[in-house]
Amino acid sequence: QVQLQESGPGLVKPSETLSLTCAVSGGSISDYYWTWIRQAPGKGLEWIGYIYYSGSSDNNPALKSRVTISVDTSKNQFSLKLSSVTAADTAVYYCARGGKTVDYWGQGTLVTVSS
Amino acid sequence: DIQMTQSPSSLSASVGDRVTITCRASQSISSNLNWYQQKPGKAPKVLIYAASSLQSGVPSRFSGSGSGTDFTLTISSLQPEDFATYYCQQSYSTPLTFGPGTKVDIK
Repeated sequence: QVQLQESGPGLVKPSETLSLTCAVSGGSISDYYWTWIRQAPGKGLEWIGYIYYSGSSDNNPALKSRVTISVDTSKNQFSLKLSSVTAADTAVYYCARGGKTVDYWGQGTLVTVSS
Repeated sequence: DIQMTQSPSSLSASVGDRVTITCRASQSISSNLNWYQQKPGKAPKVLIYAASSLQSGVPSRFSGSGSGTDFTLTISSLQPEDFATYYCQQSYSTPLTFGPGTKVDIK
């Protein structure tokens, strides 16, 4: 059974960079796409982007060039960096397996942007 | 970007009811449509992919239909564990986009 676990700071200051890692267990990171999705409190789901295990990626233009998604196959994990954060980036961040359809999800981690 | 809309935004139903949720895309997405169920405080779970294919392990009371711009999720006989929020998501092109959700609660 594939399991995903997000980790990273729960509080980030405005203008700083949000950094999260998703550790994958119970299966290899190879041969799949891996995705980040977020959900602001009380709101719907927003696709952030995905990365293939080989390193090719795509992300949401709405986030402009603030998003970087990377993968580390040696550690079986992938990561998200979101720069220049504001209060609007406060959300539960989910990592998930899959590209255009995701099947396994992490439990999600709340990241609050506040000084 | 492809915009997704859902109706209704919420509904109240009883156990045993047949429930239908509609999703519409702003342009044709063929059959590239997924449905997810989310319970409070939990990650979403995929129910239906490619408009009508049932994800492994999902009860057969869930079904999906449609193609082009109009899609439907049907729960044939609502069970207590089905009270949740349901989202559609287009998988036709990036940026991938979700509908605003339909909350199903107890009448």
